Amino acid sequence: GQNIDQPTEMTATEGAIVQINCTYQTSGFNGLFWYQQHAGEAPTFLSYNVLDGLEEKGRFSSFLSRSKGYSYLLLKELQMKDSASYLCAVRDSNYQLIWGAGTKLIIKP
Amino acid sequence: ETGVTQTPRHLVMGMTNKKSLKCEQHLGHNAMYWYKQSAKKPLELMFVYNFKEQTENNSVPSRFSPECPNSSHLFLHLHTLQPEDSALYLCASSQEGTRGSDEQFFGPGTRLTVL
Repeated sequence: GQNIDQPTEMTATEGAIVQINCTYQTSGFNGLFWYQQHAGEAPTFLSYNVLDGLEEKGRFSSFLSRSKGYSYLLLKELQMKDSASYLCAVRDSNYQLIWGAGTKLIIKP
Repeated sequence: ETGVTQTPRHLVMGMTNKKSLKCEQHLGHNAMYWYKQSAKKPLELMFVYNFKEQTENNSVPSRFSPECPNSSHLFLHLHTLQPEDSALYLCASSQEGTRGSDEQFFGPGTRLTVL
């Protein structure tokens, strides 16, 4: 079966750095997405990786290792507004998105 | 209106009621999706429409019936639901359904409660 694993919840301090991991086992691979979802709101796109390596976008970076079936989302200089759930999703061989259950990130002052 | 809109935002219905959820996208996209989001569970893909044609039906019970009259509108018709169908129903759209890098744009969802 297809499976996406990510931690259920993480806590970090304002101004610090946090890394949210995602491991996947899917039938085929056509890219990995990270989305942010604030409570009661729609998920919004953060990043897309299809090749190995690090993609940096402001305070957020996303890393992919296809051979290890592994990705992480790195958030720097954490702000209170970064408190949200972070969803990892992999596009499989049928071009469907397989989603993880999300990681709830709690930022403390 | 911009992006993806959904109505109603909240819906409470009895098990014998019939209701419909509406989704509209103003992005000129060709693919639209219905997802179910339950607490602490992954997003569950329910239906996919590409260029108004249904391309995916992920073993969804027949009490959920989708309709896509054009590439901008998507409906989810509900009848004789069960309490376990209570969830957040999200609509999304993307440029196409078969391109790897296409991100999906989500609406704010309909919070459905079945009594």
